[in-house]
Amino acid sequence: TQLLEQSPQFLSIQEGENLTVYCNSSSVFSSLQWYRQEPGEGPVLLVTVVTGGEVKKLKRLTFQFGDARKDSSLHITAAQPGDTGLYLCAGDHGGGSNYKLTFGKGTLLTVNP
Amino acid sequence: NAGVMQNPRHLVRRRGQEARLRCSPMKGHSHVYWYRQLPEEGLKFMVYLQKENIIDESGMPKERFSAEFPKEGPSILRIQQVVRGDSAAYFCASSPPGVNYGYTFGSGTRLTVV
Repeated sequence: TQLLEQSPQFLSIQEGENLTVYCNSSSVFSSLQWYRQEPGEGPVLLVTVVTGGEVKKLKRLTFQFGDARKDSSLHITAAQPGDTGLYLCAGDHGGGSNYKLTFGKGTLLTVNP
Repeated sequence: NAGVMQNPRHLVRRRGQEARLRCSPMKGHSHVYWYRQLPEEGLKFMVYLQKENIIDESGMPKERFSAEFPKEGPSILRIQQVVRGDSAAYFCASSPPGVNYGYTFGSGTRLTVV
């Protein structure tokens, strides 16, 4: 089983702080996706990274895919209460099964005003 | 321009009953995927369907679970003779044909077996 380990599992910070969450695996992924899930809702796609070493920015969020395509990080600058949610990473192994995502268990982020 | 629609949002069933979960994909999407999120677990792939075809059901439990995506109408995930361990959130996602660069998920159906 190719697992995605996310850390930390829980993170509680104050508004305005910066944070980084991690997604690690021992296996190589063809692409890696980050989602945010709010209570009672489905995951919402934030970004997809496909190239080793790739960095993508989405406003205050910066996503990086590791050079070896085994890990990824999400950095949030000046966190806001609206950033609160469960952040999930998910990878696929490409080829004919690129539709089958392996999800991590997520990092539950709470940003306190 | 509705997204992926799932219903019901919440479903309560007694042990031994049948549960039917419905998913209408986004307009123009012909591929549907079902994932299950158990408490304290990550989302797990269950099945991938195209219209009238099951492409990959490797994540489906061998018994009691079935899925279909008919030519007309929504995709249905059916769980027969539900047990307490089936209690979970079931999510459907859809995509157009081609490379997967990220899913659009529905809001899910939360199944509670009592």
